[in-house]
Formats: sequence, structure tokens, C-alpha cells
Amino acid sequence: VQLLDSGGDWVQPGGSLRLSCAASGFTFNRYAMSWVRRAPGKGLEWVSSISGYGDNTDYADSVKGRFTISRDNSKNTMYLQMESLRVEDTAVYYCAKVPWEYCSTGNCYFDFWGQGTVVTVSS
Amino acid sequence: DIQMTQSPSTLSASVGDRVTLTCRASQSISVWLAWYQQKPGKAPRLLISKASSLQTGVPSRFSGSGSGTEFTLTISSLQPDDFATYYCQQYNVYSGAFGQGTKVEIK
Repeated sequence: VQLLDSGGDWVQPGGSLRLSCAASGFTFNRYAMSWVRRAPGKGLEWVSSISGYGDNTDYADSVKGRFTISRDNSKNTMYLQMESLRVEDTAVYYCAKVPWEYCSTGNCYFDFWGQGTVVTVSS
Repeated sequence: DIQMTQSPSTLSASVGDRVTLTCRASQSISVWLAWYQQKPGKAPRLLISKASSLQTGVPSRFSGSGSGTEFTLTISSLQPDDFATYYCQQYNVYSGAFGQGTKVEIK
């Protein structure tokens, strides 16, 4: 299993960014996928999850209405579209694989992780 | 929300030591707890799920125990490759909260 996350960058408050996670080594559409982040000096925080076929999505309250998770199973790739970014969204963002097809409201664990991509929101 | 508290925040130990890390939940989570290892600049690695189920490929010197609100991760004989930060995570209810981590450093 390999997860390659990318797309992190510096952006001003109010800006947008799209993260990507390219997956290989497993049957992508059979598993839910998630984004987890770690802000500087803080612990890990679940951000969002999407089911294997993309028909169910969930978000942490801190990003609901601003972030959109999606996936393209034909490309074995997951995305996180981030809008209206805030300084407090500054973090390393990790994509992570869930060991089953659906993860409801973040109550799942993660058996494989990407290396992380850095998002910095600052003026 | 469930809060996860790990102790100690830093643990200094020597190669060969037996070390025990603790994770406490603010309310019962049954056995729905995972442990991860992370080294600087690397992806987190799943060690244990369901409180005590060792993942494939994880050395047997790692073991997990506990249920309800108190859990432990034990490394029976610390190896040089084990110096890292360890996180617990509950996945019983909403948001799958993580602990703040325990850094295991060389004494």
C-alpha cells in the first residue's frame, strides 16, 4: 500500500487549496479514505472521510461547510477541496486508508497513512 | 466529546528497557482503541487496533491491553528503532479523538 499526498502550499486567509492523495497497492473502491491533520504544537485531528464508492461523506465540525472531500476511483485518487481557509487550518494534512468500506463521522482507525502535505495559511 | 489523555508526555529510556505508555479516555470506549508510532517527517504507522490486536508486520515486543477507559502500550525490550512518538486514538464515537502523544527518547 502506498499513499502519496500532495497539493499543500502557502495561502492567504480566505483562500482555497486542493489536496490530492494518489493510492496504490490495494483495491481502492473497497475502502473508505480519510484526511487527518496535525496543527503545529497540537495533536492529530480527524478532518473528513469518504466511503469507498464516494456516496457517503463526513466532516469534522471545524471544517464543515468549507471543505469538500471527493474521490475518483478510476484514478485511485482522493481529494480535499479547502475553501475559506483560516489561520487555524495551518497543519500537516495526511491522507489515510480506513480498513473497511465506510467510516461514519470519523469513528474508525487508519491502517495506512501518507507522508503528509503542509498547508500554511498566513497573511 | 471524548478526550484522550496520554502519559507521560515524554519518556526517557535505554535500549533493552521495558516501557509502558498509558492512554486514558474521558468515558468508556470499550476496546475501540488504536496505537500509532510516528517518527519525524514520516507517516504514522498503525501498531495495534481493538486495544490489543497487533498489526501484521509489527514486532511482537509491542503489546496493547486495556478496556473501558484505561489502556496501555508496552514495549517489552526497547530497540533503537523504537524511539519515536506514540499516539492513541479512540474510534468508538464521533471524531475518533487522538491523544497528544508520548515521545520515547533515548536516556
